[in-house]
Amino acid sequence: AQSVTQPDIHITVSEGASLELRCNYSYGATPYLFWYVQSPGQGLQLLLKYFSGDTLVQGIKGFEAEFKRSQSSFNLRKPSVHWSDAAEYFCAVVVYNQGGKLIFGQGTELSVKP
Amino acid sequence: NAGVTQTPKFRILKIGQSMTLQCTQDMNHNYMYWYRQDPGMGLKLIYYSVGAGITDKGEVPNGYNVSRSTTEDFPLRLELAAPSQTSVYFCASRDTQYQETQYFGPGTRLLVL
Repeated sequence: AQSVTQPDIHITVSEGASLELRCNYSYGATPYLFWYVQSPGQGLQLLLKYFSGDTLVQGIKGFEAEFKRSQSSFNLRKPSVHWSDAAEYFCAVVVYNQGGKLIFGQGTELSVKP
Repeated sequence: NAGVTQTPKFRILKIGQSMTLQCTQDMNHNYMYWYRQDPGMGLKLIYYSVGAGITDKGEVPNGYNVSRSTTEDFPLRLELAAPSQTSVYFCASRDTQYQETQYFGPGTRLLVL
């Protein structure tokens, strides 16, 4: 069955430190992968997506993610975190049934220390 | 472009009441979705639509109904509200291809007491 796992429920980093959020997927076909961010009380905003080509994907707000097929991973990174990056982050994969729905991971809540 | 809009933002319902959550998109997208978000669970698909007049069940459809009479609108109906339907509801839409981005509305927070 298709699934997405985000092993870290909550991460705290200091402002200016680097960040890596983990995402592992289980999907038989070529995956289309997404990272979304949700600020408190807000909807989901797309950070970046991967569907083919270069395995290192650049997104908005200085984020990037690397697709590693051998590890079934799509980890999100940022070299220097800003206080405004505090939010919840969701990894998701598109599946070909149910209208191309997204299957989401459980989310990782990021806190940023000053 | 307003994107995907949802109303209301927040609502308190009593058990057994009914309500309709509104969703409208102005991007001319054929595909529309309703998800619910519960703490620590990510988002789960309730219903989806691949075009006007065509809807189908997602993973958690019980207690909900939808209709899609126009491309723009995709309302979600709760007929007999139950405490288990306390959640945050998100509407989303996308263009035709699977790799296209799903755009999300701001959400409706529903509390059933």
